[in-house]
Amino acid sequence: NAGVTQTPKFQVLKTGQSMTLQCAQDMNHEYMSWYRQDPGMGLRLIHYSVGAGITDQGEVPNGYNVSRSTTEDFPLRLLSAAPSQTSVYFCASSPTDRAGHSPLHFGNGTRLTVT
Amino acid sequence: LAKTTQPISMDSYEGQEVNITCSHNNIATNDYITWYQQFPSQGPRFIIQGYKTKVTNEVASLFIPADRKSSTLSLPRVSLSDTAVYYCLVVANTNAGKSTFGDGTTLTVKP
Repeated sequence: NAGVTQTPKFQVLKTGQSMTLQCAQDMNHEYMSWYRQDPGMGLRLIHYSVGAGITDQGEVPNGYNVSRSTTEDFPLRLLSAAPSQTSVYFCASSPTDRAGHSPLHFGNGTRLTVT
Repeated sequence: LAKTTQPISMDSYEGQEVNITCSHNNIATNDYITWYQQFPSQGPRFIIQGYKTKVTNEVASLFIPADRKSSTLSLPRVSLSDTAVYYCLVVANTNAGKSTFGDGTTLTVKP
């Protein structure tokens, strides 16, 4: 199993450009989520999904869209990039949304710079 | 979800036992305590999770007192490769994915 795969690893955008960060998992996990991590800080939840066709907002959703058309994929779209969105983005998945059985499995991140 | 408080940083030496304490005064009855480890340029990795008393696995132990207002992650005999950031999370039994990561504890292990 590859686990959680994120592409690209690095990306540079100009202000106002849009792009999609890809996330795929091959573990048949129901739950998937996106976090951003700014330098020296913890992770903040952007959006999450408890199953195909279901998404919800996290702590910092503004400027981002998500969709979950399949169990495997959970892309994150930046609508109009801003320098404040410069960060490292992590995708995570877990088998279910029940704490006792569901540690999060993380990808290795996408480092995004917006100039 | 309960807010957590951890020390910002800790130093240790190879071979020592390291204990990192996390405060979570507002933990709810059905919440679990979960710890993750993060190396530079990598995503966090699950270490251990518990509800009460003591949990042990091959890498760490988690001690949770009866009032559950704090927890202690214990790393036995650390090595240089244990240098990382450690996050304590309080996770709701349902909707667990809305876990909130604090700023974590940066552990530096010295030779």
